[in-house]
Amino acid sequence: NAGVTQTPKFRVLKTGQSMTLLCAQDMNHEYMYWYRQDPGMGLRLIHYSVGEGTTAKGEVPDGYNVSRLKKQNFLLGLESAAPSQTSVYFCASSYGRLAGGPDTQYFGPGTRLTVL
Amino acid sequence: GENVEQHPSTLSVQEGDSAVIKCTYSDSASNYFPWYKQELGKRPQLIIDIRSNVGEKKDQRIAVTLNKTAKHFSLHITETQPEDSAVYFCAASTGDTGRRALTFGSGTRLQVQP
Repeated sequence: NAGVTQTPKFRVLKTGQSMTLLCAQDMNHEYMYWYRQDPGMGLRLIHYSVGEGTTAKGEVPDGYNVSRLKKQNFLLGLESAAPSQTSVYFCASSYGRLAGGPDTQYFGPGTRLTVL
Repeated sequence: GENVEQHPSTLSVQEGDSAVIKCTYSDSASNYFPWYKQELGKRPQLIIDIRSNVGEKKDQRIAVTLNKTAKHFSLHITETQPEDSAVYFCAASTGDTGRRALTFGSGTRLQVQP
């Protein structure tokens, strides 16, 4: 049981290049999230998904796209990278019970992205 | 939307002392308040959480208190140890089925001096 995994761990891009970050979970969780973490700002929600085939915008969605074609995978895409997207990206997932309120979010190990 | 403020941004204590980190939130509908510990270069790890139907929760040396009227919650660590040194984040969520995403505070860097 690997939990939440992310690939790649590190990446350096030039301005204007594109890339996709992959998040995978093997806990059969319904909910998945992408956050970015910048110094002194905590974690901010980029996009999220409440189930296979569904996605929605978070607090800071501009410049990113996502897809959830399979329940276990959540992809984050940068179509034209900018230096402002230099950050550490964390994926998280949760079971998403329909009743009983929110449940624990489990985080992946993160992807450190640098855009030059 | 929700806004979570966290204080202090840095905290230095002597080993064995207690540490307290405080957070306030803005959305009165928030009903779930987790605390995460993040060591350098690692992922955030849940250390304790509290739901709005209780005022206090304790797990060994860690406790969290919640004051819904004042909209603030706090993390208390007693008998601190060097391995408690890390960045701690509070978070809040409304828990509605449509989202359940967390809004995080900006973090507190805790240093425990041996």
